[in-house]
Amino acid sequence: EDKVVQSPLSLVVHEGDTVTLNCSYEVTNFRSLLWYKQEKKAPTFLFMLTSSGIEKKSGRLSSILDKKELFSILNITATQTGDSAIYLCAVEANAGGTSYGKLTFGQGTILTVHP
Amino acid sequence: DTGVSQDPRHKITKRGQNVTFRCDPISEHNRLYWYRQTLGQGPEFLTYFQNEAQLEKSRLLSDRFSAERPKGSFSTLEIQRTEQGDSAMYLCASSSSGRAAGETQYFGPGTRLLVL
Repeated sequence: EDKVVQSPLSLVVHEGDTVTLNCSYEVTNFRSLLWYKQEKKAPTFLFMLTSSGIEKKSGRLSSILDKKELFSILNITATQTGDSAIYLCAVEANAGGTSYGKLTFGQGTILTVHP
Repeated sequence: DTGVSQDPRHKITKRGQNVTFRCDPISEHNRLYWYRQTLGQGPEFLTYFQNEAQLEKSRLLSDRFSAERPKGSFSTLEIQRTEQGDSAMYLCASSSSGRAAGETQYFGPGTRLLVL
């Protein structure tokens, strides 16, 4: 059974700090890894990673995938109170040679940024 | 608003009652997914449609749960004889097919169900 484990489960920082969120996975026929941000509503898409070693960046957020070691990290620099949310990692696996996009999610990391 | 929409946003029901939720995906998306999320957990996959065909059902989806997507557009998820353990956020997501490596799923706002 596919498995995704995130760490830490929760993190409290002050504005301006840099944080690193971890995601490790075990999946048969890996296809992609996705990061989502969830506030008090639906998850919103951040990044999709398919290749090892290529950093994806969007403003203060960046992410990288290591397919050999089966993990990904999400970095947030110069954190702001608006970054407070649950950060979800999910993996997508191929199914019978074609991918239909079923995502297996981790438990999430609850990030709290204090002013 | 051209995103995924869900209705209702909140539902409170008594144990034993039936409930039905609706999801309207992004219009050009042919794939639709239902997930369930309980407090402190990530979303768990329930079922998947490609157009009107239901191609995958999780074992989490007991025989009290049924989902349909009759015309390949909106979808409904029905829970019969609700139990307190059904209390959760029910999320719908949609994506397009045909990309070489993975598809981005876009989520709706969810329906929060409370069974008393």
